[in-house]
Amino acid sequence: QSVLTQPPSVSGAPGQRVTISCTGSSSNIGANYDLHWYQHLPGTAPKLLIYGNSNRPSGVPDRFSGSKSGTSASLAITGLQAEDEGDYYCQSYDSNLSGSVFGGGTKLTVL
Amino acid sequence: QVQLQESGPGLVKPSQTLSLTCTVSGDSISSGSYYWSWIRQPAGKGLEWIGRIYTSGSTNYNPSLKSRVTISVDTSQNQFSLKLRSVTAADTAVYYCAREQWGSWYLDYWGQGTLVTVSS
Repeated sequence: QSVLTQPPSVSGAPGQRVTISCTGSSSNIGANYDLHWYQHLPGTAPKLLIYGNSNRPSGVPDRFSGSKSGTSASLAITGLQAEDEGDYYCQSYDSNLSGSVFGGGTKLTVL
Repeated sequence: QVQLQESGPGLVKPSQTLSLTCTVSGDSISSGSYYWSWIRQPAGKGLEWIGRIYTSGSTNYNPSLKSRVTISVDTSQNQFSLKLRSVTAADTAVYYCAREQWGSWYLDYWGQGTLVTVSS
């Protein structure tokens, strides 16, 4: 049972838009700690996709965007491409645990 | 370009201690703006944050692992290390080291990961 809750899977056709939700609580997202997103493709290290709720590191396409409200956050991917297929994780700080926490991960399938 | 590289045994016997080292290049562990972290991923499961260390030696650990984990830093070698005691098969995972931004707590650079199998 992860501290941050994500849907196990989402899917979409090439070119479509998908969103992945991340739900936390008053000790993490709701406490105004930043929320971050990672893309994890098979056989590679996780890659920082969104940091500080909505900021993209250099080199990340603007097809990826993040938002946060209350105790939840979302990752949106527009113009879905086959290369986007993989696992996506949200991450934040939790004051009860005094450390970082991850969501359980969401597997994105491009149909 | 910041790079991190994990090293250590790929096979550990049950009840023994798992020991891994992360060597950092392209940045100094002593630079002060970052923590240095360990994360793991058991096969078929999600990412689990293990803990972090600051250049001063200050540490934070995942409460679920705290009784068995020690993270240390060697600034002279620009390395930090993980020790996990009394391992079982449940500790079999890919272990990653990463750089964690102080204050915002995102992990911006990751090592490639190393598979550690716990088996007799």
